[in-house]
Amino acid sequence: DTAVSQTPKYLVTQMGNDKSIKCEQNLGHDTMYWYKQDSKKFLKIMFSYNNKELIINETVPNRFSPKSPDKAHLNLHINSLELGDSAVYFCASSQGGGAREAFFGQGTRLTVV
Amino acid sequence: QKEVEQDPGPLSVPEGAIVSLNCTYSNSAFQYFMWYRQYSRKGPELLMYTYSSGNKEDGRFTAQVDKSSKYISLFIRDSQPSDSATYLCAMSASSGAGSYQLTFGKGTKLSVIP
Repeated sequence: DTAVSQTPKYLVTQMGNDKSIKCEQNLGHDTMYWYKQDSKKFLKIMFSYNNKELIINETVPNRFSPKSPDKAHLNLHINSLELGDSAVYFCASSQGGGAREAFFGQGTRLTVV
Repeated sequence: QKEVEQDPGPLSVPEGAIVSLNCTYSNSAFQYFMWYRQYSRKGPELLMYTYSSGNKEDGRFTAQVDKSSKYISLFIRDSQPSDSATYLCAMSASSGAGSYQLTFGKGTKLSVIP
């Protein structure tokens, strides 16, 4: 039974489009995250949500917006996609906002053409 | 200077070798130290985490933290081809209100040759 699941696994889209990536966790964790892994494999946090409140928001363009309908879901919406947005996006979750034992999803490989 | 420095490799070793992976950091506020393993086209998975300076052992893996030198290591004994992956060090510091921010190194790609 998958702990953190993301859909879709692959996403190819044109510049200027708007797209969403969904994430669900069944671990009962209260904090969820979105990470971006670039072509050089560098993993950097984008957002985290704790009890439906945004608690970390790094210098991410406002074209990216996280949406959390409930504690088990954190979706990522991206507007006006750009070539530089191409990357692998990982959703993760942890308990207590500790970020010590973060469990990651399989990743969504986004390619903007 | 980046907060966490990690040699990206690649590192290639024969099966059975002892592997040493290292990270240095500059932020004294880091409290928790972790190692994640990431197989190709998969998400990172937590291997080990530790809080204090010293060694922590789990099977063939040993994590070592030296806070005075701001240096952490992961040792893999009797390396196996299945250990071939990218290893990412990660560290966290409190960002207030009981929450922590996780900072990753760039990862070291390891290949264990049969």
